[in-house]
Amino acid sequence: GESVGLHLPTLSVQEGDNSIINCAYSNSASDYFIWYKQESGKGPQFIIDIRSNMDKRQGQRVTVLLNKTVKHLSLQIAATQPGDSAVYFCAENNGQNFVFGPGTRLSVLP
Amino acid sequence: KAGVTQTPRYLIKTRGQQVTLSCSPISGHRSVSWYQQTPGQGLQFLFEYFSETQRNKGNFPGRFSGRQFSNSRSEMNVSTLELGDSALYLCASSLARGHGTEAFFGQGTRLTVV
Repeated sequence: GESVGLHLPTLSVQEGDNSIINCAYSNSASDYFIWYKQESGKGPQFIIDIRSNMDKRQGQRVTVLLNKTVKHLSLQIAATQPGDSAVYFCAENNGQNFVFGPGTRLSVLP
Repeated sequence: KAGVTQTPRYLIKTRGQQVTLSCSPISGHRSVSWYQQTPGQGLQFLFEYFSETQRNKGNFPGRFSGRQFSNSRSEMNVSTLELGDSALYLCASSLARGHGTEAFFGQGTRLTVV
């Protein structure tokens, strides 16, 4: 699995601005991806998913972009709100199980 | 419908003891996966159960084991606890196995080994 030590990458954004969280995945054969949000003291919560036959998918205030060429996934959050403050994980399904990225902590500034 | 339920929420054990954690998946879900989450290692896959059989296993020692019952409820057991086993243990349930199957997580069990 992946490890990043004790310090998560942190993204700080102003309330109302757009946020972009990036993730590099490892297995070119992975064909299903999910973004999860984890708030303190809670389990990961599903945000949005995308299959490898798509390169973009939109939800409510969120958009996921998939670039299979460089094995890169991004999550865009529009009009970021204080309630969006959390750790965000990308997960790839390699056909056996989900492999999670190290996570990014999103901090929304008032 | 009810989400994934994990019990207990918090647990404190002593080194050398063993512990059993429980997970009740969403009704109708047959796949249950377990993960260990620590600040240093992030979310690490432990194992997956489907139809009472372990289908996939992560890179953890044999002290970590699990099982699934006919009602899809799952338990995981850790024997001879070590300090490094302190972590948040998360259970996720899915309707089925394989690609394109969304996984729903429980709140986790916070295990502290002293």
